[in-house]
Amino acid sequence: AQSVTQPDIHITVSEGASLELRCNYSYGATPYLFWYVQSPGQGLQLLLKYFSGDTLVQGIKGFEAEFKRSQSSFNLRKPSVHWSDAAEYFCAVGAGAGKSTFGDGTTLTVKP
Amino acid sequence: DGGITQSPKYLFRKEGQNVTLSCEQNLNHDAMYWYRQDPGQGLRLIYYSQIVNDFQKGDIAEGYSVSREKKESFPLTVTSAQKNPTAFYLCASSIGESGTATNNEQFFGPGTRLTVL
Repeated sequence: AQSVTQPDIHITVSEGASLELRCNYSYGATPYLFWYVQSPGQGLQLLLKYFSGDTLVQGIKGFEAEFKRSQSSFNLRKPSVHWSDAAEYFCAVGAGAGKSTFGDGTTLTVKP
Repeated sequence: DGGITQSPKYLFRKEGQNVTLSCEQNLNHDAMYWYRQDPGQGLRLIYYSQIVNDFQKGDIAEGYSVSREKKESFPLTVTSAQKNPTAFYLCASSIGESGTATNNEQFFGPGTRLTVL
């Protein structure tokens, strides 16, 4: 069975600092990997996705993620965080046909 | 505009009552999903449907029921058998079996917050 682990429940960074959110997955085949963002009281929005090819994927809002098969990781990064990036971030692994397993999320707080 | 709508945004229920949450999509997606979200527990899958008139239980289906009579609609009923129904409920859709890995991400509605009084 597939699973996703987000080791950091809560991360605080200063505005303008760099950000890395960790995601580790367990999946028997080539994974389809996603990062979503959720603002308080809202639904989730897709930031980026990986399915094959280049292991560094670019997403919206200046985010990128790198797939590392040897480490079973798909970490999300941003070079310079903005106050509006404060939200909850979910990593997910897809089983095909759209069904996905989500991690428990990482809450990002941005200090002024 | 294409998207997913959920209604109502806030819902209050008395103990012992059934309540139905609405989810509609105009994305022409085959697959639809219901998740429950509690603080610190991420998203847990309640039910999903890959095609009209068919649906499968997810990880926490007890106390919930669904129907998929139309492609656009996937209502969720929270029954009185659900012992702890207070939560944030999210509906999502994806292209499904007719899609590929490149375009099968999920699209989410804005959610319904259910509170049992």
